[in-house]
Amino acid sequence: DAGVIQSPRHEVTEMGQEVTLRCKPISGHDYLFWYRQTMMRGLELLIYFNNNVPIDDSGMPEDRFSAKMPNASFSTLKIQPSEPRDSAVYFCASSPILLTGSSYEQYFGPGTRLTVT
Amino acid sequence: GQQVMQIPQYQHVQEGEDFTTYCNSSTTLSNIQWYKQRPGGHPVFLIQLVKSGEVKKQKRLTFQFGEAKKNSSLHITATQTTDVGTYFCAGLLSGTYKYIFGTGTRLKVLA
Repeated sequence: DAGVIQSPRHEVTEMGQEVTLRCKPISGHDYLFWYRQTMMRGLELLIYFNNNVPIDDSGMPEDRFSAKMPNASFSTLKIQPSEPRDSAVYFCASSPILLTGSSYEQYFGPGTRLTVT
Repeated sequence: GQQVMQIPQYQHVQEGEDFTTYCNSSTTLSNIQWYKQRPGGHPVFLIQLVKSGEVKKQKRLTFQFGEAKKNSSLHITATQTTDVGTYFCAGLLSGTYKYIFGTGTRLKVLA
C-alpha cells in the first residue's frame, strides 16, 4: 500500500488566492482527519470524517476553510481567500476501525507545506 | 477547551543517557497514543494505551498511562541518535474519535 497520499507537497501562493489541498487515504480506512501544524499552535485537528461524512468540524478556524470528502478515496481542504497566517504544514491522516469499535492508530500523509505571502 | 500539555518542551541529552517526556490532560481520556515525528517528517504511530495504570514496552521505550487516565509518560533508556525527533502524545476524548495532540517534546541526542 502506498500509504496516505497528499498533494501538492509544497504550495506557495499570494494572499487572497484560493488554495486546495488534496488527500487520498489508505484504502479501506473509514476515518479521515485533517490537521494543521505550526510552531506556535502545534498539531491541531481541523475536521474529521467517518465514511465520507463530516463528524466534527469544530477545529476549522473560520469560514474561509472548507473540507469535503466526495468519496472514500478522496478529500480536499480548501482555503478561500488565503491569508499569511494560514501558512503551516497541513496533514491528512486516515484510520481503520475495529469491529469492536476501539480506536485505531492514525496513518499520516507526508503533509503539504503551505506558504501564503 | 480540552488541553494536553507535555513537558519538557525541549530536551538535549548525551547519547546513552535516559529521556522522559510527560503528558498531562485537563480531562479524563478514553485512551492515549504516542507518535514520533522526525525533523521534516510526519507523525508516526508508536503505541496506544487504553487501561488505567497500563505499562507497555517497546525495546528501549516504556510507556505508561496514569491511574486516573489523565496523564502518561514515555521513557527512553540509553538514547541513541536515531531517537532524535519530536514525541507527541494524543489523547482520545470520550465518546468521540477526536484526538487532542499534546504540545510535543523535541529530543536532541548528542553523539
